[in-house]
Amino acid sequence: DTGVSQDPRHKITKRGQNVTFRCDPISEHNRLYWYRQTLGQGPEFLTYFQNEAQLEKSRLLSDRFSAERPKGSFSTLEIQRTEQGDSAMYLCASSLDEAGVDTGELFFGEGSRLTVL
Amino acid sequence: QKEVEQNSGPLSVPEGAIASLNCTYSDRGSQSFFWYRQYSGKSPELIMSIYSNGDKEDGRFTAQLNKASQYVSLLIRDSQPSDSATYLCAVKLKVFGAGTILRVKS
Repeated sequence: DTGVSQDPRHKITKRGQNVTFRCDPISEHNRLYWYRQTLGQGPEFLTYFQNEAQLEKSRLLSDRFSAERPKGSFSTLEIQRTEQGDSAMYLCASSLDEAGVDTGELFFGEGSRLTVL
Repeated sequence: QKEVEQNSGPLSVPEGAIASLNCTYSDRGSQSFFWYRQYSGKSPELIMSIYSNGDKEDGRFTAQLNKASQYVSLLIRDSQPSDSATYLCAVKLKVFGAGTILRVKS
C-alpha cells in the first residue's frame, strides 16, 4: 500500500460543469476526510466518513458539493455547476480510529487541483 | 474571530536556533490539538499531537498546550534548513489555522 491516492491530480473545467474527484485511502483506515485548500490558507474541512457513514459535513459547504463512500473504501467528491470560487486544491486524508480513539494522524493524498475557468 | 489563529510569518531563524511557533484557538471545549508541517507544493504531514496541558517532547520538537489561555505552541530546537516549511496548527482535525511560514537560514 503506497498511501492515499487521489485522481485526477489536475482538472481544468469551465464554469457550470460538474467535476468528480476520487480518493483511495490507506486500506485499513476507517476514517476518510475531504478538505479544500487555497493558496496561503490551511486546509478547510469539508466532510468526513467513518467507514461508509458520512458523519459530518461542514455548514459552509454548498449543496453543490456531495461526497460518497459507498463501500467504506474509496470515496468520491462531486461538485456540480462549478464556479470560479471552487478553484482550489482538494485534499483527501485517511486515518485509523481504533475504539473511538482517533490519534489525529491524518495521511494526506497529493491532492486534486481544480481550476474553474 | 477565527477559530484558529496563527501568525502567518515568515518567521526567519538561523540554523541551530530555536524556532517558536504559536497558535490560539477560540473553542474552549477543544480537547485535541495537532501540528502539521507542509512543504511547498506538498500535502501536510503530522509532526505532533497533544491532548493535555503541559509539554510533550519528540526529538527536536516540543509541543506546549495551555487550555486556560487557549494557546498551543511548537518549539523546534536546533533548527535545520530542512525545517523550512509552513506549520499548520489544527484543532479537532477539522479546523486548521492558515499556517506560519518558517525559514531556517544556513
